Amino acid sequence: AQTVTQSQPEMSVQEAETVTLSCTYDTSESDYYLFWYKQPPSRQMILVIRQEAYKQQNATENRFSVNFQKAAKSFSLKISDSQLGDAAMYFCAYRRRRNTPLVFGKGTRLSVIA
Amino acid sequence: NAGVTQTPKFRILKIGQSMTLQCTQDMNHNYMYWYRQDPGMGLKLIYYSVGAGITDKGEVPNGYNVSRSTTEDFPLRLELAAPSQTSVYFCASSPLAGGPIYEQYFGPGTRLTVT
Repeated sequence: AQTVTQSQPEMSVQEAETVTLSCTYDTSESDYYLFWYKQPPSRQMILVIRQEAYKQQNATENRFSVNFQKAAKSFSLKISDSQLGDAAMYFCAYRRRRNTPLVFGKGTRLSVIA
Repeated sequence: NAGVTQTPKFRILKIGQSMTLQCTQDMNHNYMYWYRQDPGMGLKLIYYSVGAGITDKGEVPNGYNVSRSTTEDFPLRLELAAPSQTSVYFCASSPLAGGPIYEQYFGPGTRLTVT
């Protein structure tokens, strides 16, 4: 079974600084998909960024970027120029192939200090 | 489009009571999912469906039942509520084709407390 591990239960960052959230996963598949979701206090699950395993290029979405290391099975999220609105729980998630259910890590709670 | 809607938003149940969590999507998505999120944890899959009339168990199905009679609706039934079912429940859906990696769209969640 696939597993997703987020080893940092909590992180904090100063406003305007950069922070990196870690995620590792375990799979025997060669083709899969990885995601980072943000969950603010409203509980809504918001997709932040996605990565297809067959793509070598790291995904970026504005201030959010990933460092995808397929051989190491590592998928970290970098948030640049952190803003107060970035404070939330962040979940790393894995999907074996299109339309299969997601497997989530336990999450990292990010605090942003003004 | 309203997307994925869930009712109720909050509910308190007594041990042994039953209830149905409603989930509806108006995007004509074939795939629908139920996840639960326990305090301080990630989401775990309860059940999912690949289309009307087809359902399958996820990681934590015990104590729950589902049905999928229409494309739009995917209700989750709790028959004999137990304190271990205290959680936040999320419904999600994704399309059969189209869109980037067939993204999953989540509802706002239902917070359930069993006492």
